[in-house]
Amino acid sequence: NAGVTQTPKFRILKIGQSMTLQCTQDMNHNYMYWYRQDPGMGLKLIYYSVGAGITDKGEVPNGYNVSRSTTEDFPLRLELAAPSQTSVYFCASSYSPGPGELFFGEGSRLTVL
Amino acid sequence: GDSVTQMEGPVTLSEEAFLTINCTYTATGYPSLFWYVQYPGEGLQLLLKATKADDKGSNKGFEATYRKETTSFHLEKGSVQVSDSAVYFCALSGPSSGTYKYIFGTGTRLKVLA
Repeated sequence: NAGVTQTPKFRILKIGQSMTLQCTQDMNHNYMYWYRQDPGMGLKLIYYSVGAGITDKGEVPNGYNVSRSTTEDFPLRLELAAPSQTSVYFCASSYSPGPGELFFGEGSRLTVL
Repeated sequence: GDSVTQMEGPVTLSEEAFLTINCTYTATGYPSLFWYVQYPGEGLQLLLKATKADDKGSNKGFEATYRKETTSFHLEKGSVQVSDSAVYFCALSGPSSGTYKYIFGTGTRLKVLA
């Protein structure tokens, strides 16, 4: 069972560079989410999607973009990396909007220097 | 808006000690409440949940009771093991926060010593 798969696990970026964090789930879940986890701050929602072709902003969307062309994939794009985007990023999915269980990937640790 | 407050860590206990991690919430309506656990190097995984007042969620020896009168969902375990060392997150999901959005607490790190 693959579940939710995120790549890469680690990445170092220079200020101003761009990159995409990949997220794939094989559970046929409609709902997918991107969170960032900062020390002592818990998880903050960046973007979410309720199905292919539908995305919306969460609490902290600035500096990020997403797309959802298929049920399985939900990539997160950083266009102009800034030190404030240094964080651990988690992708998650769920079958129903609530109170269903969230299934998380293992996380992607991003450092912007 | 909705929020979750949980006790700051780290919490350090000896093996077989009793564990309590406090969690309180603020929400309009009646949210569902969750505890997630994050083991080192891994993503979060659901530990237990409760969907209405007075429900008790339980799993792997952990328990938490949904207390509407005190807006709390404290996590307890009678006898912790070294393998319980992890970060524990309290979370809510409910009508006022959007049924497809979750609010997480800041996490409490637990360290259990042999």
